[in-house]
Amino acid sequence: ETGVTQSPTHLIKTRGQQVTLRCSSQSGHNTVSWYQQALGQGPQFIFQYYREEENGRGNFPPRFSGLQFPNYSSELNVNALELDDSALYLCASSLAVLGASTDTQYFGPGTRLTVL
Amino acid sequence: QQQVKQSPQSLIVQKGGISIINCAYENTAFDYFPWYQQFPGKGPALLIAIRPDVSEKKEGRFTISFNKSAKQFSLHIMDSQPGDSATYFCAASLVGGGNEKLTFGTGTRLTIIP
Repeated sequence: ETGVTQSPTHLIKTRGQQVTLRCSSQSGHNTVSWYQQALGQGPQFIFQYYREEENGRGNFPPRFSGLQFPNYSSELNVNALELDDSALYLCASSLAVLGASTDTQYFGPGTRLTVL
Repeated sequence: QQQVKQSPQSLIVQKGGISIINCAYENTAFDYFPWYQQFPGKGPALLIAIRPDVSEKKEGRFTISFNKSAKQFSLHIMDSQPGDSATYFCAASLVGGGNEKLTFGTGTRLTIIP
Protein backbone atom coordinates (compact mmCIF):
# COMPACT_ATOMS: atom_id res chain seq x y z
CA GLU A 1 0.00 0.00 0.00
CA THR A 2 1.42 3.38 -1.04
CA GLY A 3 1.07 6.24 1.43
CA VAL A 4 0.35 9.90 0.73
CA THR A 5 3.23 11.65 -0.99
CA GLN A 6 3.81 15.35 -1.58
CA SER A 7 6.19 17.38 -3.68
CA PRO A 8 8.29 19.36 -3.41
CA THR A 9 9.54 18.95 0.15
CA HIS A 10 10.65 22.55 0.48
CA LEU A 11 10.02 25.63 -1.61
CA ILE A 12 11.13 29.25 -1.40
CA LYS A 13 9.20 31.95 -3.25
CA THR A 14 9.02 35.70 -3.17
CA ARG A 15 5.98 37.81 -2.41
CA GLY A 16 3.62 38.14 -5.38
CA GLN A 17 4.72 34.92 -7.05
CA GLN A 18 2.56 31.88 -7.71
CA VAL A 19 3.17 28.35 -6.45
CA THR A 20 1.85 24.86 -7.21
CA LEU A 21 2.09 22.05 -4.70
CA ARG A 22 1.38 18.43 -5.56
CA CYS A 23 -0.07 15.46 -3.73
CA SER A 24 -0.53 11.80 -4.57
CA SER A 25 -3.27 10.14 -2.57
CA GLN A 26 -2.95 6.86 -0.76
CA SER A 27 -3.79 3.92 -2.99
CA GLY A 28 -7.55 3.37 -3.18
CA HIS A 29 -8.49 6.80 -1.80
CA ASN A 30 -10.70 9.15 -3.80
CA THR A 31 -10.91 12.22 -1.58
CA VAL A 32 -8.16 14.72 -0.85
CA SER A 33 -8.10 17.55 1.66
CA TRP A 34 -5.54 20.34 1.95
CA TYR A 35 -4.48 21.99 5.18
CA GLN A 36 -2.19 24.88 6.06
CA GLN A 37 -0.11 24.53 9.22
CA ALA A 38 1.61 27.67 10.44
CA LEU A 39 4.58 27.25 12.75
CA GLY A 40 3.46 26.17 16.22
CA GLN A 41 -0.19 25.86 15.20
CA GLY A 42 -2.61 23.12 14.32
CA PRO A 43 -3.49 22.48 10.67
CA GLN A 44 -6.20 24.70 9.19
CA PHE A 45 -8.58 23.27 6.58
CA ILE A 46 -8.24 24.89 3.14
CA PHE A 47 -10.52 22.76 0.95
CA GLN A 48 -11.47 19.22 0.00
CA TYR A 49 -11.88 17.55 -3.38
CA TYR A 50 -14.02 14.53 -4.20
CA ARG A 51 -14.29 13.14 -7.72
CA GLU A 52 -12.53 16.20 -9.14
CA GLU A 53 -15.04 18.63 -7.59
CA GLU A 54 -14.46 20.97 -4.67
CA ASN A 55 -16.38 19.54 -1.72
CA GLY A 56 -16.08 22.14 0.99
CA ARG A 57 -13.81 25.08 1.66
CA GLY A 58 -12.38 26.69 4.75
CA ASN A 59 -11.78 30.36 5.44
CA PHE A 60 -9.18 30.95 2.73
CA PRO A 61 -9.29 33.56 -0.07
CA PRO A 62 -9.91 32.62 -3.73
CA ARG A 63 -6.20 32.94 -4.55
CA PHE A 64 -5.98 29.48 -2.97
CA SER A 65 -7.29 27.05 -5.56
CA GLY A 66 -7.01 23.38 -6.25
CA LEU A 67 -7.44 20.57 -8.70
CA GLN A 68 -8.03 16.87 -8.39
CA PHE A 69 -7.19 14.63 -11.33
CA PRO A 70 -8.85 11.40 -12.51
CA ASN A 71 -6.11 9.37 -10.83
CA TYR A 72 -7.02 11.22 -7.57
CA SER A 73 -3.74 13.10 -7.40
CA SER A 74 -4.17 16.74 -6.52
CA GLU A 75 -2.65 20.20 -6.78
CA LEU A 76 -2.85 23.24 -4.55
CA ASN A 77 -2.23 26.55 -6.28
CA VAL A 78 -1.60 29.79 -4.48
CA ASN A 79 -1.48 33.07 -6.43
CA ALA A 80 -0.09 36.43 -5.35
CA LEU A 81 1.88 34.95 -2.48
CA GLU A 82 1.98 36.88 0.78
CA LEU A 83 4.46 36.62 3.63
CA ASP A 84 1.77 35.04 5.83
CA ASP A 85 1.44 32.17 3.38
CA SER A 86 4.70 30.78 4.76
CA ALA A 87 3.65 27.47 6.32
CA LEU A 88 3.67 23.70 6.03
CA TYR A 89 1.05 22.62 3.51
CA LEU A 90 -0.41 19.21 4.15
CA CYS A 91 -2.61 17.06 2.03
CA ALA A 92 -4.65 14.22 3.45
CA SER A 93 -6.44 11.47 1.58
CA SER A 94 -9.47 9.44 2.57
CA LEU A 95 -12.03 7.13 1.04
CA ALA A 96 -15.57 8.28 0.36
CA VAL A 97 -18.19 5.68 -0.41
CA LEU A 98 -21.34 6.81 -2.24
CA GLY A 99 -20.60 10.44 -1.33
CA ALA A 100 -20.24 9.88 2.41
CA SER A 101 -16.65 9.98 3.55
CA THR A 102 -15.17 7.56 5.98
CA ASP A 103 -13.64 9.25 8.95
CA THR A 104 -9.95 8.53 8.64
CA GLN A 105 -7.73 11.02 6.86
CA TYR A 106 -4.13 10.06 6.20
CA PHE A 107 -1.64 12.89 5.92
CA GLY A 108 1.37 13.30 3.72
CA PRO A 109 4.69 14.69 4.99
CA GLY A 110 3.88 18.20 3.79
CA THR A 111 5.55 20.88 1.70
CA ARG A 112 7.34 23.62 3.61
CA LEU A 113 6.70 26.91 1.78
CA THR A 114 8.72 29.99 2.65
CA VAL A 115 7.68 33.33 1.18
CA LEU A 116 10.32 36.07 1.27
CA GLN B 1 -13.61 31.20 16.42
CA GLN B 2 -11.61 28.36 17.90
CA GLN B 3 -13.92 25.39 17.98
CA VAL B 4 -11.48 22.96 19.59
CA LYS B 5 -9.44 24.10 22.59
CA GLN B 6 -6.45 22.02 23.65
CA SER B 7 -4.37 22.05 26.82
CA PRO B 8 -1.70 22.10 28.01
CA GLN B 9 0.44 23.77 25.38
CA SER B 10 3.46 21.80 26.55
CA LEU B 11 3.94 18.86 28.89
CA ILE B 12 6.96 17.19 30.45
CA VAL B 13 6.50 13.69 31.84
CA GLN B 14 8.96 11.27 33.33
CA LYS B 15 9.54 7.98 31.56
CA GLY B 16 7.00 5.43 32.72
CA GLY B 17 4.52 8.08 33.80
CA ILE B 18 1.08 8.93 32.44
CA SER B 19 0.71 11.77 29.93
CA ILE B 20 -2.69 13.45 29.81
CA ILE B 21 -3.79 15.95 27.17
CA ASN B 22 -7.22 17.56 27.23
CA CYS B 23 -9.50 18.99 24.57
CA ALA B 24 -12.84 20.75 24.63
CA TYR B 25 -15.12 21.39 21.68
CA GLU B 26 -18.00 23.73 21.02
CA ASN B 27 -19.91 22.28 18.08
CA THR B 28 -22.27 19.59 19.40
CA ALA B 29 -22.70 18.28 15.86
CA PHE B 30 -19.12 16.92 15.81
CA ASP B 31 -19.22 13.15 15.74
CA TYR B 32 -15.65 12.03 15.19
CA PHE B 33 -12.72 12.82 17.45
CA PRO B 34 -9.23 11.72 16.37
CA TRP B 35 -5.85 12.31 17.93
CA TYR B 36 -2.83 12.86 15.71
CA GLN B 37 0.85 12.57 16.56
CA GLN B 38 3.34 14.72 14.70
CA PHE B 39 7.12 14.51 14.74
CA PRO B 40 9.26 17.44 13.56
CA GLY B 41 9.34 17.68 9.78
CA LYS B 42 6.60 15.08 9.35
CA GLY B 43 2.90 15.14 8.66
CA PRO B 44 0.39 14.25 11.40
CA ALA B 45 -0.18 10.52 11.88
CA LEU B 46 -3.48 9.16 13.18
CA LEU B 47 -3.00 7.71 16.65
CA ILE B 48 -6.46 6.80 17.87
CA ALA B 49 -10.01 8.04 17.32
CA ILE B 50 -13.40 7.83 19.00
CA ARG B 51 -17.06 8.33 18.18
CA PRO B 52 -19.39 9.91 20.76
CA ASP B 53 -21.39 6.73 21.29
CA VAL B 54 -18.68 5.35 23.58
CA SER B 55 -17.01 6.94 26.60
CA GLU B 56 -13.62 5.31 26.29
CA LYS B 57 -11.44 3.65 23.69
CA LYS B 58 -8.13 1.96 24.36
CA GLU B 59 -5.43 0.90 21.91
CA GLY B 60 -2.27 -0.37 23.54
CA ARG B 61 -0.84 2.36 25.77
CA PHE B 62 -3.18 5.02 24.32
CA THR B 63 -6.66 5.70 25.69
CA ILE B 64 -9.25 8.30 24.73
CA SER B 65 -11.77 9.31 27.38
CA PHE B 66 -14.87 11.07 26.06
CA ASN B 67 -17.42 13.12 28.03
CA LYS B 68 -20.26 14.10 25.72
CA SER B 69 -22.18 16.17 28.26
CA ALA B 70 -19.11 18.23 29.10
CA LYS B 71 -18.02 18.38 25.45
CA GLN B 72 -14.55 17.25 26.45
CA PHE B 73 -12.20 14.46 25.49
CA SER B 74 -8.71 13.54 26.55
CA LEU B 75 -5.76 11.41 25.52
CA HIS B 76 -3.97 9.30 28.12
CA ILE B 77 -0.59 7.79 27.31
CA MET B 78 0.31 5.10 29.81
CA ASP B 79 3.91 4.10 30.54
CA SER B 80 5.17 7.08 28.53
CA GLN B 81 8.39 6.46 26.60
CA PRO B 82 11.01 8.83 25.14
CA GLY B 83 9.81 7.79 21.67
CA ASP B 84 6.43 9.33 22.52
CA SER B 85 8.05 12.78 22.55
CA ALA B 86 6.17 14.61 19.80
CA THR B 87 3.42 17.17 19.26
CA TYR B 88 -0.10 15.85 19.74
CA PHE B 89 -3.18 17.35 18.14
CA CYS B 90 -6.78 16.62 18.96
CA ALA B 91 -9.31 17.18 16.21
CA ALA B 92 -13.02 16.95 15.55
CA SER B 93 -15.17 16.62 12.49
CA LEU B 94 -18.57 15.81 11.10
CA VAL B 95 -18.64 12.47 9.31
CA GLY B 96 -20.92 11.85 6.39
CA GLY B 97 -22.04 15.42 6.09
CA GLY B 98 -20.35 15.87 2.75
CA ASN B 99 -17.66 18.14 4.13
CA GLU B 100 -15.48 16.15 6.46
CA LYS B 101 -12.99 18.80 7.40
CA LEU B 102 -10.95 18.24 10.51
CA THR B 103 -10.90 21.08 13.02
CA PHE B 104 -7.68 20.84 14.99
CA GLY B 105 -6.64 21.99 18.41
CA THR B 106 -3.51 24.09 18.80
CA GLY B 107 -1.29 21.16 19.79
CA THR B 108 0.59 19.92 22.84
CA ARG B 109 4.33 19.45 22.75
CA LEU B 110 5.04 16.37 24.86
CA THR B 111 8.53 15.67 26.17
CA ILE B 112 9.31 12.42 27.97
CA ILE B 113 12.40 12.65 30.15
CA PRO B 114 14.44 9.65 31.39
